[in-house]
Amino acid sequence: GAGVSQSPSNKVTEKGKDVELRCDPISGHTALYWYRQSLGQGLEFLIYFQGNSAPDKSGLPSDRFSAERTGGSVSTLTIQRTQQEDSAVYLCASSFGPLGRQPQHFGDGTRLSIL
Amino acid sequence: DQQVKQNSPSLSVQEGRISILNCDYTNSMFDYFLWYKKYPAEGPTFLISISSIKDKNEDGRFTVFLNKSAKHLSLHIVPSQPGDSAVYFCAAKDGANSKLTFGKGITLSVRP
Repeated sequence: GAGVSQSPSNKVTEKGKDVELRCDPISGHTALYWYRQSLGQGLEFLIYFQGNSAPDKSGLPSDRFSAERTGGSVSTLTIQRTQQEDSAVYLCASSFGPLGRQPQHFGDGTRLSIL
Repeated sequence: DQQVKQNSPSLSVQEGRISILNCDYTNSMFDYFLWYKKYPAEGPTFLISISSIKDKNEDGRFTVFLNKSAKHLSLHIVPSQPGDSAVYFCAAKDGANSKLTFGKGITLSVRP
């Protein structure tokens, strides 16, 4: 379809391993966001990319988290040396421009489980 | 410190009746509010939004009301349908930031 695509849909890994999560935004959308939802919580902002501007990393919980967006399209969220508290659903969203009147469209998320 | 609060974790209504979902916020800088609907194992889907310069926005069965002085908004669904059963998230942003701040969500169950 033409929606936001995330992969993998599920990821189970051992504590201490690194993981990479991928997001393919809607074609033509210049803004891309990463959020995560821990059990029983709302969505927590992680990072925001807009065009060629420097990303807003203010939501990243630690330096183990990083993200990049290559060519203004696909984005990868990397978590190094995973911890059990990193277990959550990681959601990617994109929008046509900086969110003013353009709603964010979400993918179905990656469910990450750290053993 | 939760800036967007959805204090009721769940709501159950009869099909055909009105569903009223409430949301409170603390940040007076928020100027745009959105409601998202989420089914299990799917991403949130945008429903309806409202700017702080308005007090009401309507789209079909969905109406959002904003009371800025009370820092309160509500989503009305009428008539409610079984397919409306889902988790509803209230979200807000302020003009200086593009990120959304979400509430914890409320689970709506519409009984046939």
